[in-house]
Amino acid sequence: GQNIDQPTEMTATEGAIVQINCTYQTSGFNGLFWYQQHAGEAPTFLSYNVLDGLEEKGRFSSFLSRSKGYSYLLLKELQMKDSASYLCAALIFTGGGNKLTFGTGTQLKVEL
Amino acid sequence: DAGVTQSPTHLIKTRGQQVTLRCSPKSGHDTVSWYQQALGQGPQFIFQYYEEEERQRGNFPDRFSGHQFPNYSSELNVNALLLGDSALYLCASSRKLDREGYTFGSGTRLTVV
Repeated sequence: GQNIDQPTEMTATEGAIVQINCTYQTSGFNGLFWYQQHAGEAPTFLSYNVLDGLEEKGRFSSFLSRSKGYSYLLLKELQMKDSASYLCAALIFTGGGNKLTFGTGTQLKVEL
Repeated sequence: DAGVTQSPTHLIKTRGQQVTLRCSPKSGHDTVSWYQQALGQGPQFIFQYYEEEERQRGNFPDRFSGHQFPNYSSELNVNALLLGDSALYLCASSRKLDREGYTFGSGTRLTVV
């Protein structure tokens, strides 16, 4: 089966750095996505990693280790608007094509 | 460039009824995937359509069915609604040969009473 684990909740202070971890056990692994989702809204794309290593994009960075089945999302210089759910999703290849399999999401609360 | 459009945005139905949700994919995208997201949970894959055929299916009963039209838009149908079907239903579009670029719509909030 497919299993993706991430913490349920995290709290951090405005201006700080926070790291959200994700571990996965999947077959047909074809890459790892991170999405941000504010309450009642659509998930919005943050990053996509298919090779091992760190991808940096502004205040957001994402890391992947395929051998360890591990990824993290790093958010720097936290702002209040970063309070949201962060979804880790594995891209899984099956006979019919690719599909996204999500973790339960990490609810991040940024405090003053 | 319009993104993914879903309708309606909100819907209230009674147990046992049937519902149809609609999705127009982003321009240039040919593949549509549907997800169910319960409150406080991650999206769960329902099924995926490409070339007007269901290509992949998640662990959902046959009460959940769909369709894709020649213009790539898609419908999700749910029959014999249960209280547990209350959720946010998300549509995501992509291009078949792309591993990146899944674009999500804002979803349809379905409440079954």
